[in-house]
Amino acid sequence: EVQLVESGGGLVHPGESLRLSCAASGFTFSSYWMNWVRQAPGKGLEWVANIKEDGSDKNYVDSAKGRFTISRDNAKNSLYLQMNGLRAEDTAVYYCARDRNPLPWELPDYWGQGTLVTVSS
Amino acid sequence: QSALTQPASVSGSPGQSITISCTGTSSDVGGYNYVFWYQQHPGKAPKLMIFEVSNRPSGVSYRFSGSKSGNTASLTISGLQAEDEADYYCASYTSSATRVFGGGTKVTVL
Repeated sequence: EVQLVESGGGLVHPGESLRLSCAASGFTFSSYWMNWVRQAPGKGLEWVANIKEDGSDKNYVDSAKGRFTISRDNAKNSLYLQMNGLRAEDTAVYYCARDRNPLPWELPDYWGQGTLVTVSS
Repeated sequence: QSALTQPASVSGSPGQSITISCTGTSSDVGGYNYVFWYQQHPGKAPKLMIFEVSNRPSGVSYRFSGSKSGNTASLTISGLQAEDEADYYCASYTSSATRVFGGGTKVTVL
């Protein structure tokens, strides 16, 4: 059974940093592109970033470029999102999600339960 | 990258059929057959309902179907049931190698 478990969320002040983690199990983690998708309270889904199986290719939404870094450790079956310079508008539930197939144009099939990030003074 | 355009809400009575539209551009929905649909119940993670425009994952009811014409994709729910009441999101691959979601549609079963 595919399982994705996010952690690392919490309350931070504007300008601070936070590192989210996602522990994957039930599939060959190193064979799939992985994503971070967020959802602000009461709002819709927003794709944030994705990373290739071997970490050699990464893509970001414009609002994350230069502030967020996606990375992975295939030996630990883990995905990460380093978030710097956090803003109030980054407040959201952050989901880890696996692409359906190991292809560069796929979209997610399995999702974790999410971790809440709150940015407030 | 602008969000794909979905109606904010759609409603129907039990047993009826409803259709949710998802309009993008030739750089996303119109340019690729990588349009996915997700269902999300309150407080829950999204669930994949349709992949690659019109394909259902194993375990998803046949009552859910997808299609695309030009820059607009559609999700149809036939034989509407109370359990179908949820938010629905479309998503697409884009020419910038990013992904984009629609704003979401709240489906209400009357």
